[in-house]
Amino acid sequence: AQSVTQLGSHVSVSEGALVLLRCNYSSSVPPYLFWYVQYPNQGLQLLLKYTSAATLVKGINGFEAEFKKSETSFHLTKPSAHMSDAAEYFCAVSPPMNRDDKIIFGKGTRLHILP
Amino acid sequence: EPEVTQTPSHQVTQMGQEVILRCVPISNHLYFYWYRQILGQKVEFLVSFYNNEISEKSEIFDDQFSVERPDGSNFTLKIRSTKLEDSAMYFCASKGRQGAGSPLHFGNGTRLTVT
Repeated sequence: AQSVTQLGSHVSVSEGALVLLRCNYSSSVPPYLFWYVQYPNQGLQLLLKYTSAATLVKGINGFEAEFKKSETSFHLTKPSAHMSDAAEYFCAVSPPMNRDDKIIFGKGTRLHILP
Repeated sequence: EPEVTQTPSHQVTQMGQEVILRCVPISNHLYFYWYRQILGQKVEFLVSFYNNEISEKSEIFDDQFSVERPDGSNFTLKIRSTKLEDSAMYFCASKGRQGAGSPLHFGNGTRLTVT
């Protein structure tokens, strides 16, 4: 079964520092991968998606993620953290032959930004 | 930008009561989903819906749950007899086209509290 594992339920970085949120996937074939962000008391907003067109994917708010098949990883990065980036981030997977196109979420990583 | 809207934002109900959570998906979308997130836990798939029928449902989606698209615009989730463990944030999502690479668009959620 397809799944994603997010390492670290909480990550703290200083404002201006590099953000790195880790995600590893489990899939017998290269899946489609997504990062969603959830700000406090809000819904899930798509940050970026990987659909095999390019391994380095750029998203909104300065985030990007790189698909590495050899490492089965899709880590999310941002060069310089901003206070407004404090939120919960979810990695998600959708198998390419998924009949109903549902996506499966990881457990999430809460990002804290230190002043 | 069109968005998925959910009402109410917060619903409090007593154990054993029926609740209906309402969603208005993006108008030209064809695929609809319900997810839930128990406080502090991962976002879990409940059910997918296409062409006026359920495409797939998870183990969570037992006989107490049902979905309906009564009028071509609303998409509802009914819980027939609520239990304490149904307390969670419920997210509606929709997508416009088939294909695992097409992302889901989520609403802001309904927080259901069962007392």
